[in-house]
Amino acid sequence: AQSVAQPEDQVNVAEGNPLTVKCTYSVSGNPYLFWYVQYPNRGLQFLLKYITGDNLVKGSYGFEAEFNKSQTSFHLKKPSALVSDSALYFCAVRDVPNRDDKIIFGKGTRLHILP
Amino acid sequence: DAGVTQSPTHLIKTRGQHVTLRCSPISGHKSVSWYQQVLGQGPQFIFQYYEKEERGRGNFPDRFSARQFPNYSSELNVNALLLGDSALYLCASSLAQNGEKLFFGSGTQLSVL
Repeated sequence: AQSVAQPEDQVNVAEGNPLTVKCTYSVSGNPYLFWYVQYPNRGLQFLLKYITGDNLVKGSYGFEAEFNKSQTSFHLKKPSALVSDSALYFCAVRDVPNRDDKIIFGKGTRLHILP
Repeated sequence: DAGVTQSPTHLIKTRGQHVTLRCSPISGHKSVSWYQQVLGQGPQFIFQYYEKEERGRGNFPDRFSARQFPNYSSELNVNALLLGDSALYLCASSLAQNGEKLFFGSGTQLSVL
């Protein structure tokens, strides 16, 4: 069965510093991997995805993520954090053989950017 | 363009009642998925509908049901509400059945007392 693990409940980073939010996954086939962000009282917003190709994926708001097949990881990164990046971040995976939109989400990591 | 719209935004029910949540997808999107997000957890997949047919079901009891209408809007129904059904219910739409990107609504916050 597919699963996603986000080992950190919260990550604190000073504004201007690089940030990393960790994610590992488990699937039976090839994964589709996603990062979504959730602001207070809002639904989830798509940040980026990995389907195939280049292991470094660039997304919205200056975020990027690196797919590492050997470590089954898909960590979210940003070179220089902004206070406005403070939000709840979810890693998600879809097992490619699935024909539906069943996407499994991690429990989320709350990112605090300190001014 | 309007995004995914959900109604109502908030709802308070008592145990044993039933509830209907509604979702309108982005124009042109034929797939609608429903997720339950309990406080402090990630969204849990409930259903996916594509072209008015159920294409996926998560690990939820039969008290949960859904349908998709010819205009691709969708309803989620929950019968015999339990306290544990209190959650944010999210609807997401996508162009295709296995869409690579989901567009989420702001959700319906259901409180069961």
